[in-house]
Amino acid sequence: NAGVTQTPKFRVLKTGQSMTLLCAQDMNHEYMYWYRQDPGMGLRLIHYSVGEGTTAKGEVPDGYNVSRLKKQNFLLGLESAAPSQTSVYFCASSYRTGAVNSPLHFGNGTRLTVT
Amino acid sequence: GDSVTQMEGPVTLSEEAFLTINCTYTATGYPSLFWYVQYPGEGLQLLLKATKADDKGSNKGFEATYRKETTSFHLEKGSVQVSDSAVYFCALSDGGSYIPTFGRGTSLIVHP
Repeated sequence: NAGVTQTPKFRVLKTGQSMTLLCAQDMNHEYMYWYRQDPGMGLRLIHYSVGEGTTAKGEVPDGYNVSRLKKQNFLLGLESAAPSQTSVYFCASSYRTGAVNSPLHFGNGTRLTVT
Repeated sequence: GDSVTQMEGPVTLSEEAFLTINCTYTATGYPSLFWYVQYPGEGLQLLLKATKADDKGSNKGFEATYRKETTSFHLEKGSVQVSDSAVYFCALSDGGSYIPTFGRGTSLIVHP
């Protein structure tokens, strides 16, 4: 049981380049989330999805797009990378928020540097 | 809206010391409460949870009690180890929202 898998683990981009981060979960979870983690800022929600084919904006969505074409996958795209998007990106999934047995399951992160 | 406030870090302790990391919350509904731990270079993982008032969550020697009257969920451990060095996040999930609310995290450093 792999849980939540993020690819790639590391990436260096030049300003203006684009890339897609892939998140895959094998737990049949409905909800999926993309967060960024920066020093002193905690976790900030970028986008989230409550089911296949649905997405919604979080706290810091500008400069990012997402897609949830299959229930198990949640893709995060950067159309034109900027140095301010240098961060560690975490994907998470859960069966259903608000229930005792629905904590978030996190991937191990993607460390992105934009030069 | 919902919010979670954690004590500022880093918290620096010697091995075998007693640990408390304070967490208070505001919520519109009746939330479930969680503590997550993040070890260096890894993602967050669930440490413990509680779903109703006076419930005590426990795992790996850590404990936290859901205190509705003080809206708190403080994390405690009687004797910390160097291997407990990590960042700890308090969080809540309110049934009225799809989005869990996290505190900013508290870094714990344990010296031998």
